[in-house]
Amino acid sequence: AQTVTQSQPEMSVQEAETVTLSCTYDTSESDYYLFWYKQPPSRQMILVIRQEAYKQQNATENRFSVNFQKAAKSFSLKISDSQLGDAAMYFCAYRIATTSGTYKYIFGTGTRLKVLA
Amino acid sequence: NAGVTQTPKFRILKIGQSMTLQCAQDMNHNYMYWYRQDPGMGLKLIYYSVGAGITDKGEVPNGYNVSRSTTEDFPLRLELAAPSQTSVYFCASSPTGKRGYTFGSGTRLTVV
Repeated sequence: AQTVTQSQPEMSVQEAETVTLSCTYDTSESDYYLFWYKQPPSRQMILVIRQEAYKQQNATENRFSVNFQKAAKSFSLKISDSQLGDAAMYFCAYRIATTSGTYKYIFGTGTRLKVLA
Repeated sequence: NAGVTQTPKFRILKIGQSMTLQCAQDMNHNYMYWYRQDPGMGLKLIYYSVGAGITDKGEVPNGYNVSRSTTEDFPLRLELAAPSQTSVYFCASSPTGKRGYTFGSGTRLTVV
């Protein structure tokens, strides 16, 4: 079964510091996509970053970067220079192909990030 | 552009009642999805659609129905509400299956 595991229910980071959120996944596919989504208290789900499995280079988006370890099936999110606005639930997601040839996403259970002033 | 619009934002239903959660997107996205998010859990896929007239079941379709008569709209129907359907419901869309989603702001549904 395709699964996404986020083993940290909650993390805290001091403002301006760096924090890493972990995510592991299980798949037998060789070509796939991984995502990190942010869900602030407003409940809106916001795409943070995306990684294509065929790319060896880790994706970066400003203060957000990933550490993608394909052999270990690990996809961690690093947030640098943490800001109060980064406080949210963060979900790791994995895109899988369906039997009908389309795609759907499997989400982890989320990590709640608290940013301390 | 409005993006993905969900209505209503909140709703309380009595057991056995029916309702339709509305979802509309103005980005001409082919792919649309319905997820539910239970407290402390990730998102579970209920139904999805890859285009007008085409729908398919996700992980947790029981108790729900969908239709996709137009590219823009993807309503989710609850026929006989049960307390187990108390959740936050998210609609999402994507131009293709490869890109990330654009999510709506969610509908918080309570069944009492």
